[in-house]
Amino acid sequence: DGGITQSPKYLFRKEGQNVTLSCEQNLNHDAMYWYRQDPGQGLRLIYYSQIVNDFQKGDIAEGYSVSREKKESFPLTVTSAQKNPTAFYLCASSILTGNYGYTFGSGTRLTVV
Amino acid sequence: AQSVTQLGSHVSVSEGALVLLRCNYSSSVPPYLFWYVQYPNQGLQLLLKYTSAATLVKGINGFEAEFKKSETSFHLTKPSAHMSDAAEYFCAVSEGATDKLIFGTGTRLQVFP
Repeated sequence: DGGITQSPKYLFRKEGQNVTLSCEQNLNHDAMYWYRQDPGQGLRLIYYSQIVNDFQKGDIAEGYSVSREKKESFPLTVTSAQKNPTAFYLCASSILTGNYGYTFGSGTRLTVV
Repeated sequence: AQSVTQLGSHVSVSEGALVLLRCNYSSSVPPYLFWYVQYPNQGLQLLLKYTSAATLVKGINGFEAEFKKSETSFHLTKPSAHMSDAAEYFCAVSEGATDKLIFGTGTRLQVFP
C-alpha cells in the first residue's frame, strides 16, 4: 500500500544533541512538508520541498535542517540550536497540481530529556 | 495572504447530537478547502475537500461541509455524533498554484454519552 512512513514513533534526545527524523513516501508525490504540532497551536510549517535537491523555509525553520536527495525521502534534523524541540512532528506529501490535499505520516513524538 | 479561522478550540456534544465545527477563510481567489481529522498520537486524515465542483461536500464517517462564498465559510457538520468522532479537526485552505495548505488552529471535539 502506498503511504508515508515516519520513524521512529517516539524519540528521546538529550540536550545538546542533534537528532534526525525519517520520512519516506512511496506515493510518487513531488512535494514534501514538515510540520511541528504543539498543544493549542495547530500545525506550524518548518520546511517544505517541491523538487529534489531544493527546499524552502517555512514559518519556524530556525534550529532545523532538511535534505531532499531523493524524491521519496525528506529527513528532518533537529539541531542543538532548537531551544524547545519537544513536540509532535508530522511529515506530509502532495502532488503539485490539482489541489488534492496532503497525505500525512503518523508522526514522531520527540522529547528532550 | 490566505488564512483560515476556526471558531472554538473545544466543542462538546452529547452522543446523537448535531456536530457543528466552524471554519471561516480569507482568500482573494476561489479557494480550495479541506477538513482533516486527527486522533490522538496519529497523523491527519482527510475528511473531505471542496474544489468548486459542488458547494455541499460529503466526506467520510458521515461528515459533510457546505461552502458559502457570501459568508466565506466552510463549516463541518454531522447530524448525529458518535463516541468515535472524538478527535481534533483541522480546516485548511490552499494557496492555489503552489498547493501549500494553510491550516487553522484546530477544534477538539468531545462526545459525551
